Amino acid sequence: KAGVTQTPRYLIKTRGQQVTLSCSPISGHRSVSWYQQTPGQGLQFLFEYFSETQRNKGNFPGRFSGRQFSNSRSEMNVSTLELGDSALYLCASSIQGHEQYFGPGTRLTVT
Amino acid sequence: QKEVEQDPGPLSVPEGAIVSLNCTYSNSAFQYFMWYRQYSRKGPELLMYTYSSGNKEDGRFTAQVDKSSKYISLFIRDSQPSDSATYLCAMKLSYNTDKLIFGTGTRLQVFP
Repeated sequence: KAGVTQTPRYLIKTRGQQVTLSCSPISGHRSVSWYQQTPGQGLQFLFEYFSETQRNKGNFPGRFSGRQFSNSRSEMNVSTLELGDSALYLCASSIQGHEQYFGPGTRLTVT
Repeated sequence: QKEVEQDPGPLSVPEGAIVSLNCTYSNSAFQYFMWYRQYSRKGPELLMYTYSSGNKEDGRFTAQVDKSSKYISLFIRDSQPSDSATYLCAMKLSYNTDKLIFGTGTRLQVFP
């Protein structure tokens, strides 16, 4: 069974630009969550989706948004990028309520 | 104060040692507890998933949860150099959410 896949794996953007990251969950998983990982703050929850509905949102500004499609694939978008948005963005999928499995992440660098 | 506290290490042990990794937390409502292993530049890999208090064993790994003390542990027996990684504890409030609260991670190095 294929794991969680994330694209792209690496991204370099300039301050003020926007970016869209993609996540394909494990087949059969309908729950997708996103996390930001930085050396200073560690892993922080961004949002959680189940059946195309956002169920939870972390304490991040409105520049961070996401969505989930009917095939459970998910995207997150960050608008008006800031230097502090440089991080590893991780996606995890689960059969709702059960173990969560993470993808390899997208490493975003904002210059 | 963070909701979940974890000693960042690094923890350096010889091959074959028993490793003990720990987390404390402040929110007594947490019910589900996990341990992840993360190698450099990779995503976290789930090692253990437990519900409420008690012990769970899987191969060389044992997870312990003491809800009365708000303390969880991961023991690694017969540690190997391939166990060198960052170990993250995580927890969540209920079955109906996938929102995980993570510790900051403990970096473990197992030397031959």
